[in-house]
Amino acid sequence: AQSVTQLGSHVSVSEGALVLLRCNYSSSVPPYLFWYVQYPNQGLQLLLKYTTGATLVKGINGFEAEFKKSETSFHLTKPSAHMSDAAEYFCAVSYLTGTASKLTFGTGTRLQVTL
Amino acid sequence: DTAVSQTPKYLVTQMGNDKSIKCEQNLGHDTMYWYKQDSKKFLKIMFSYNNKELIINETVPNRFSPKSPDKAHLNLHINSLELGDSAVYFCASTSNTGELFFGEGSRLTVL
Repeated sequence: AQSVTQLGSHVSVSEGALVLLRCNYSSSVPPYLFWYVQYPNQGLQLLLKYTTGATLVKGINGFEAEFKKSETSFHLTKPSAHMSDAAEYFCAVSYLTGTASKLTFGTGTRLQVTL
Repeated sequence: DTAVSQTPKYLVTQMGNDKSIKCEQNLGHDTMYWYKQDSKKFLKIMFSYNNKELIINETVPNRFSPKSPDKAHLNLHINSLELGDSAVYFCASTSNTGELFFGEGSRLTVL
């Protein structure tokens, strides 16, 4: 079975500081990995995804994540936080079951950005 | 055009009532889902349909009944609502690349 662990339910950074949101996964098959962002009262929006190929994945809004198989990690980073980055971030792992993909989410990390 | 649209966005109702949430996607995807997000923001899959056929049915009370009249629509009907059903319900669709496209959610409050 697939599972995702996000370390830290709340992360606070200063504007301009490095953002690091941690995600570790467990998967019995090569995983597809995702980061989604949820702004208040909105749905989830894809930030980036890893399927195959290059292990450093770049996404929208300056975010990137690196797939590290040896560490079973897929941490999300951004060099310089902006106030608009404040949101809930979800890491997810996907696998195929029958004809459907099943996306399993972590518990989320709330990112707070302070002046 | 909204890719995945859900209605209504907000639902407030009394315990014991029956309610429905509708979802439509215009992405041409074959697979649609219902996810439940609780008050702690935890997202859990409920159901998945592929081309009108039920594929995934997690441990969900049978008061919840999904219906897919065609592959662009997936509705969720809930009977005999309970306080614990209060949550945000998200519809999503995929072309089976693994990436899901989500609607904006339907916030259900049961009083």
